[in-house]
Amino acid sequence: ETGVTQTPRHLVMGMTNKKSLKCEQHLGHNAMYWYKQSAKKPLELMFVYSLEERVENNSVPSRFSPECPNSSHLFLHLHTLQPEDSALYLCASSQGSDSYNEQFFGPGTRLTVL
Amino acid sequence: KNEVEQSPQNLTAQEGEFITINCSYSVGISALHWLQQHPGGGIVSLFMLSSGKKKHGRLIATINIQEKHSSLHITASHPRDSAVYICAVTNYGGSQGNLIFGKGTKLSVKP
Repeated sequence: ETGVTQTPRHLVMGMTNKKSLKCEQHLGHNAMYWYKQSAKKPLELMFVYSLEERVENNSVPSRFSPECPNSSHLFLHLHTLQPEDSALYLCASSQGSDSYNEQFFGPGTRLTVL
Repeated sequence: KNEVEQSPQNLTAQEGEFITINCSYSVGISALHWLQQHPGGGIVSLFMLSSGKKKHGRLIATINIQEKHSSLHITASHPRDSAVYICAVTNYGGSQGNLIFGKGTKLSVKP
């Protein structure tokens, strides 16, 4: 496996379900990101982890809970989501987390909340 | 009004045409990024620039800091260039890793 991988690629869940999105990077990077991409809206940064510590949380609702157990893995735990949370969720990684570090993106998880 | 505006929103071109996508921003920036998103979702970083011009193959990116404007050019366009092109900036004083994204320009190149 190379680059940034995400599983699952597609997920359909009910509002009462609990599920998790997984991201893994094979690039030796030390920063990882979760983004949300809704239809007709710009990408929105949700969380940033640098050296496994969360450094940015853009006022994301608590029904989204990130976890970064090590520098290669990032999870997004989902519970009691709303239909408006349906979107493409993208993971990215970089070496360092400042503005000059190129981010490498995964393929995304297409989430549908019924 | 979004801090990063792209035009056009949608663009259809014939194979071989020269293509220009524009990006204007309203904040002071430390870097500007051009990204490519293919159908299916994956995003690839094309360029990161803070001044002047960069070229990679058939792609050219320019930036004018005074005018707060950047352009992405594609020469000799090909159907495989069909994708959404996204402009993103990092503003002065912005949080770590915090990019501000445009809504993207959807390009379709017809054979």
